Amino acid sequence: GQQLNQSPQSMFIQEGEDVSMNCTSSSIFNTWLWYKQDPGEGPVLLIALYKAGELTSNGRLTAQFGITRKDSFLNISASIPSDVGIYFCAGQLGSGANNLFFGTGTRLTVIP
Amino acid sequence: EPEVTQTPSHQVTQMGQEVILRCVPISNHLYFYWYRQILGQKVEFLVSFYNNEISEKSEIFDDQFSVERPDGSNFTLKIRSTKLEDSAMYFCASSGDRSLKNIQYFGAGTRLSVL
Repeated sequence: GQQLNQSPQSMFIQEGEDVSMNCTSSSIFNTWLWYKQDPGEGPVLLIALYKAGELTSNGRLTAQFGITRKDSFLNISASIPSDVGIYFCAGQLGSGANNLFFGTGTRLTVIP
Repeated sequence: EPEVTQTPSHQVTQMGQEVILRCVPISNHLYFYWYRQILGQKVEFLVSFYNNEISEKSEIFDDQFSVERPDGSNFTLKIRSTKLEDSAMYFCASSGDRSLKNIQYFGAGTRLSVL
């Protein structure tokens, strides 16, 4: 299957700090998505990106679809305790293939 | 807000037993998916289902797995003879259409423990 590598694997930050994480792949994707997973829950969609170079915001979250279509990053500004969780990138190949390939995840801990 | 619901939340079974995991997708959605997440690992695609048949499946989805939409609302994943390595969270997802802009909504998952 497709390999999507996320970095960093984990982050410990102070409340109020900004966060940046990224996702890279050896394959080209037509859609990039960012999900957040809380313990014992399913992934919840944060941001969807559909075009190379696209920059999209959702509140304090901003994500970009890389020009090469092989990478994406997610920024969180002014972190708060409820930002704690695991953040996954996911890609869709398109052209009829609809399933999601998930990244390895970034575990975020926010220290109040 | 509409949501995907999964039952049970936790299933414990003996190795070799059959299990059926149940999902109720969002009511007007047409595409249905099962994913698996082994503890501490990433989410992995198993199978997608559309128009009463499998549209894609991964190499994980072997002959011991099957899916069914027995009525207008439920979508099930059956594991015929469970193995220890089937222990994982199983997530159901649904989406409205096949375009690239479709969004997959996930249920809270069923934790399967095979003893």
